[in-house]
Amino acid sequence: AQSVTQLGSHVSVSEGALVLLRCNYSSSVPPYLFWYVQYPNQGLQLLLKYTTGATLVKGINGFEAEFKKSETSFHLTKPSAHMSDAAEYFCAVSASGYSTLTFGKGTMLLVSP
Amino acid sequence: DVKVTQSSRYLVKRTGEKVFLECVQDMDHENMFWYRQDPGLGLRLIYFSYDVKMKEKGDIPEGYSVSREKKERFSLILESASTNQTSMYLCASSTTTGAGNTIYFGEGSWLTVV
Repeated sequence: AQSVTQLGSHVSVSEGALVLLRCNYSSSVPPYLFWYVQYPNQGLQLLLKYTTGATLVKGINGFEAEFKKSETSFHLTKPSAHMSDAAEYFCAVSASGYSTLTFGKGTMLLVSP
Repeated sequence: DVKVTQSSRYLVKRTGEKVFLECVQDMDHENMFWYRQDPGLGLRLIYFSYDVKMKEKGDIPEGYSVSREKKERFSLILESASTNQTSMYLCASSTTTGAGNTIYFGEGSWLTVV
C-alpha cells in the first residue's frame, strides 16, 4: 500500500520568497513520484515527476523537486514565488507495475505582494 | 496536446436521480480513471479501467458504477444520487506502459445534489 503526506494544508509566502512544499511518501516498492498543480476551477496539470535516474527533477514554471529515499521525501521548491503560482499543489505516488496514483490531501499556496 | 474532455462542468441534480458523467480522451490511452475531489481530502480514486469493458474498483466505489464501451469514453454513473455525493469529479487518462506514466486530467465536473 502507498500513502502520501503533505505537511501544511496552507502555505503563505511573499512574492519573491522561496517556495517549499513538503511531501513524504510511504511505499513498499520503489516509488514513482509526481507533483501536480490545480488552478481555481480547473483540472490538475503535471508540474514534474520522478521515475528513475537523477533525483533532482526540474519541472515547469521554475519548480523542482528532489527525491530523497532515506527521508522518503519529495519536497517541491521554487527559488522565487510569483503571484501566478498561487494554486493548490498535490503530491502523488504510484508503485512500480501499477498505473493508479495515490494523492496527498493538497497544499494551498498563497502568494502575497 | 492530450485532451480529456468532461462533457458537463456544472450539474445540479435531485436526490434519487440517476446521474451520468461523461468523459472522452483523444490520445488513444488505454487507462482511464474517475477521481473525486473534496476539500481537505485530496483526490480519491473511485474506479479505473485499463481496457474496453474492463473496470476495477478504486478506494471509494460505493454508490458509483462505470461504463467503458469504447476506448475513448469512460462514464461515471450515480445510480441514485445522494447529497453526500456533492463533489468535484475528475476524469483522467494515461498510457498503459506501466507506472511512471503521466496521468492527464480533465477540467472537472462540479456536481451538486439537492
